[in-house]
Amino acid sequence: GAGVSQTPSNKVTEKGKYVELRCDPISGHTALYWYRQSLGQGPEFLIYFQGTGAADDSGLPNDRFFAVRPEGSVSTLKIQRTERGDSAVYLCASSLGGSSTDTQYFGPGTRLTVL
Amino acid sequence: AQKITQTQPGMFVQEKEAVTLDCTYDTSDQSYGLFWYKQPSSGEMIFLIYQGSYDEQNATEGRYSLNFQKARKSANLVISASQLGDSAMYFCAMKSGGFKTIFGAGTRLFVKA
Repeated sequence: GAGVSQTPSNKVTEKGKYVELRCDPISGHTALYWYRQSLGQGPEFLIYFQGTGAADDSGLPNDRFFAVRPEGSVSTLKIQRTERGDSAVYLCASSLGGSSTDTQYFGPGTRLTVL
Repeated sequence: AQKITQTQPGMFVQEKEAVTLDCTYDTSDQSYGLFWYKQPSSGEMIFLIYQGSYDEQNATEGRYSLNFQKARKSANLVISASQLGDSAMYFCAMKSGGFKTIFGAGTRLFVKA
């Protein structure tokens, strides 16, 4: 079946602009995660959705970052007033449920470059 | 605090040999899951193997096995019969308590022909 998809694969923007990154999870997966991966580092947790609600947004670095999942499927990560430090690969993952036993499957990521 | 430590930034292994990638973790939760992912240069994160904290047997998936030592809080990945295609970054991850999953810094594996 289809895996997790993310669009766009690459996004180049200018400092101060607004960007939206989209994630389409595996069909039937209720849990959805966003991570940020900087060069040479492991993924850093941003936010977790169970269904439509954000169950844990403790990883969002500041109020410029926001994510939604209005119908419990596709999710959008929104970044306002982008800064050069936001440049990274943004990874989305989904799992069947949200327990510690559920394996997360990752999308290919969106590489964001802020000039 | 929850933490994952991977102390080997880089590892070399000869093709067809076995290699062990180290991972230690720290959590006060009794129920947790440990995962290993492979990230080739293409950037995708590929799930390899899972071990639950209550699993008594070490997990195995083909050429991958997880050497789980609960008392020592270690969850090392063993790759048997290394192949050139195994060259990649490998990440250890843990999910416990709440919803957050934390990842280690990764180990880059180089397989030599």
